[in-house]
Amino acid sequence: DQQVKQNSPSLSVQEGRISILNCDYTNSMFDYFLWYKKYPAEGPTFLISISSIKDKNEDGRFTVFLNKSAKHLSLHIVPSQPGDSAVYFCAASVGTSGSRLTFGEGTQLTVNP
Amino acid sequence: DTEVTQTPKHLVMGMTNKKSLKCEQHMGHRAMYWYKQKAKKPPELMFVYSYEKLSINESVPSRFSPECPNSSLLNLHLHALQPEDSALYLCASSQVGAGWRKGETQYFGPGTRLLVL
Repeated sequence: DQQVKQNSPSLSVQEGRISILNCDYTNSMFDYFLWYKKYPAEGPTFLISISSIKDKNEDGRFTVFLNKSAKHLSLHIVPSQPGDSAVYFCAASVGTSGSRLTFGEGTQLTVNP
Repeated sequence: DTEVTQTPKHLVMGMTNKKSLKCEQHMGHRAMYWYKQKAKKPPELMFVYSYEKLSINESVPSRFSPECPNSSLLNLHLHALQPEDSALYLCASSQVGAGWRKGETQYFGPGTRLLVL
């Protein structure tokens, strides 16, 4: 049972444009959501997170939006840069311990110069 | 310092070998994790240690044996592995408990690429 889904395995955008990566979840108990970026041969790197008490969190070029009623979150990258090309994983957790992260399958973002 | 280090970077082993993966962090984190990641798949949680005690074992076969000798170190002992165990093994660490509410996260190491022949 895939509780966190990223339905787009890949996304290609032009440099300077907006990248929008989407994530859906089925477990209504999830209350903390994270985005990780992963380059080849490296471990995932934390990008941005959002608690279920918020609907938006912004950090520089990165903004995460949470729609709890739709069980949907998205990551917006504006403006996109070639260095943003990586695999992006959405992850979710339940409760305060945060020990168990459930990951989506990832979206390969390619930003073309 | 937000670094988690893992050794070795690459490992090739036969099905009868015994080997160990090592992970180290000096962020004062008291939770440490082992994940397994197959190509084009998300990381899958294997084990969680909290305050040096095993708190989560996701029904991992006994040929994988974790060990947490102290708060900075995490090992994964491997014995009699199968070719399907070939994967990237990721270590991570984090605060325990309410750290999540402060925007904390899990910090990942670069992984060990394991090939079982």
